[in-house]
Amino acid sequence: DGGITQSPKYLFRKEGQNVTLSCEQNLNHDAMYWYRQDPGQGLRLIYYSQIVNDFQKGDIAEGYSVSREKKESFPLTVTSAQKNPTAFYLCASRSRDSNNSPLHFGNGTRLTVT
Amino acid sequence: GDSVTQMEGPVTLSEEAFLTINCTYTATGYPSLFWYVQYPGEGLQLLLKATKADDKGSNKGFEATYRKETTSFHLEKGSVQVSDSAVYFCALMGAQKLVFGQGTRLTINP
Repeated sequence: DGGITQSPKYLFRKEGQNVTLSCEQNLNHDAMYWYRQDPGQGLRLIYYSQIVNDFQKGDIAEGYSVSREKKESFPLTVTSAQKNPTAFYLCASRSRDSNNSPLHFGNGTRLTVT
Repeated sequence: GDSVTQMEGPVTLSEEAFLTINCTYTATGYPSLFWYVQYPGEGLQLLLKATKADDKGSNKGFEATYRKETTSFHLEKGSVQVSDSAVYFCALMGAQKLVFGQGTRLTINP
């Protein structure tokens, strides 16, 4: 079955350490996205990529970095510069065949930084 | 810029009650509109969508109609079940990215 895989499901890090969250998709989608979700809030866009080797900042990119070396993969690095990194991180992808195509989401990674 | 506003939660209903979750949007042009559902500890799943004015999206007993004149996309269900307890997000497709409302937590009591 096609889908999006995020790993790990839970991640714990000490303050000051960088950490990379994995996102892999086998849906053959061109576009991929990273969102952050905090309790009681909606989803905020961190970065997105429309095509391999290209990506754009979203609304809250500071303290994060991404790469898109392969179509299937869009890893997110949470750097020590991110002031409040503890959150639920969601990766998504969509086809660019149509403006109406919806996002498909992974099951998320819950990051806790202490 | 584009934005989505949902009714504030949480919403608590009894089983078999009628559900409405309000959603209004601000956008240039006529974006596609979506409702997503999130169950505890999971990612978001597409519930339904509508791509043009007067379209009605429907799935699993849920419905929403794209109302251009009121810039709304309210979610409705005639008889809710305990299994419908989740967080519901309204969203619009802006310029190559999805813009979400803040989400509405729904709890259905037996």
